[in-house]
Amino acid sequence: DAGVIQSPRHEVTEMGQEVTLRCKPISGHDYLFWYRQTMMRGLELLIYFNNNVPIDDSGMPEDRFSAKMPNASFSTLKIQPSEPRDSAVYFCASSTGTGETQYFGPGTRLLVL
Amino acid sequence: GDSVTQMEGPVTLSEEAFLTINCTYTATGYPSLFWYVQYPGEGLQLLLKATKADDKGSNKGFEATYRKETTSFHLEKGSVQVSDSAVYFCALRVVGNEKLTFGTGTRLTIIP
Repeated sequence: DAGVIQSPRHEVTEMGQEVTLRCKPISGHDYLFWYRQTMMRGLELLIYFNNNVPIDDSGMPEDRFSAKMPNASFSTLKIQPSEPRDSAVYFCASSTGTGETQYFGPGTRLLVL
Repeated sequence: GDSVTQMEGPVTLSEEAFLTINCTYTATGYPSLFWYVQYPGEGLQLLLKATKADDKGSNKGFEATYRKETTSFHLEKGSVQVSDSAVYFCALRVVGNEKLTFGTGTRLTIIP
């Protein structure tokens, strides 16, 4: 079975541009998580969904960030407009249920110039 | 709030050496504890976990014991291999909350 799939794997963009990151969770997983990894702040949870509904978005840094999950097999994280401080690796993870193991995707490395 | 403090890296060891990576935590509720590993260019993989006090998690020769009295979950391996070179993250999750709180990560390099 394929793991969590993220695209693109690498993204380079200029400040002010819109960036969309995509995630396909493992089939049958009801929870989806978006994490951000930076040198300064380490790994931090941005938002998570249960059955396509956002449950906790307290980690979303500001209004420039938005996340959606239109169906059980797809989620997006959008940054508009992007800024250099958004440069990071963004991970998507999914799990089968409450308290279960989270499986991580390979990440999207974003560089905003 | 919840927090995880782990040993600063990087750590460099020779092959077959004994490994310890320290991890301590602060939690607002009863936590489950985890070690994740990140190999170069990859996402995080669960290495082992423990869900209650005195439980020992183990996998691939690594082990860690949930010590409630010292709020610790130190990672150990008796004989490391070059293939163990990676970044190791200690993490916790409080019962009733799906959020994982991670430590800063420890980069481990094993030299032959």
